[in-house]
Amino acid sequence: QVQLQESGPGLVKPSETLSLTCTVSGASISGYYWNWIRQSPGKRLEWIGYIRYNGTADYNPSLKSRVTISVDMSKNQFSLKLSAVTAADTAVYYCARRGGTGGAYYFDYWGQGSLVTVSA
Amino acid sequence: DIQMTQSPSTLSASVGDRVTITCRASHSILTYLAWYQQKPGKPPKLLIYRTSSLQSGVPSRFSGSGSGTEFTLTISNLQPDDFATYHCQQYASFYPLTFGGGTKVEIK
Repeated sequence: QVQLQESGPGLVKPSETLSLTCTVSGASISGYYWNWIRQSPGKRLEWIGYIRYNGTADYNPSLKSRVTISVDMSKNQFSLKLSAVTAADTAVYYCARRGGTGGAYYFDYWGQGSLVTVSA
Repeated sequence: DIQMTQSPSTLSASVGDRVTITCRASHSILTYLAWYQQKPGKPPKLLIYRTSSLQSGVPSRFSGSGSGTEFTLTISNLQPDDFATYHCQQYASFYPLTFGGGTKVEIK
């Protein structure tokens, strides 16, 4: 059974860097696209970006200048860094696996979510 | 960006009802649409992909239809477990992948 679990600080100061890690169990990192998605209070889900086992990554253009997603195959983990955070980055952050292949890009497995609050 | 608009934002219904949620795209997304169910404090759960394909394990009372810019999610014979928020997501345009604003199905 595929499981994803986010971990990281729940409180980040403004202007600092948010860092989260997603640990994958029940599936190998290789062969899939691994994603970060966030949900700010009262707002819609927002796709942040993805990474593949080989380090290929891509990001939502609205966040691209501040986001880095990396992968550690030895630990079956991938990570998110979001720099220069503001209160607008307060959200529940989910890691998720891409389902489908080819032109299909939906999310079939999700972590439970990690609430990150940006506050001094 | 392709904007996804869901209606209604909230829907009141009773157990046993047939419920329809609409998702409209700002540009044609062919049939590249997925639906998710989300309960409070939980992550979204994939229900339907490619407009009408049911994810494994999802009850057959859920169905999806549409193409181009207008799509619907129908729940026939609404069950107590179905009271939740539903989100649509387009994947026709990757930059970026976008979601609808959600439709909350609440108990009448």
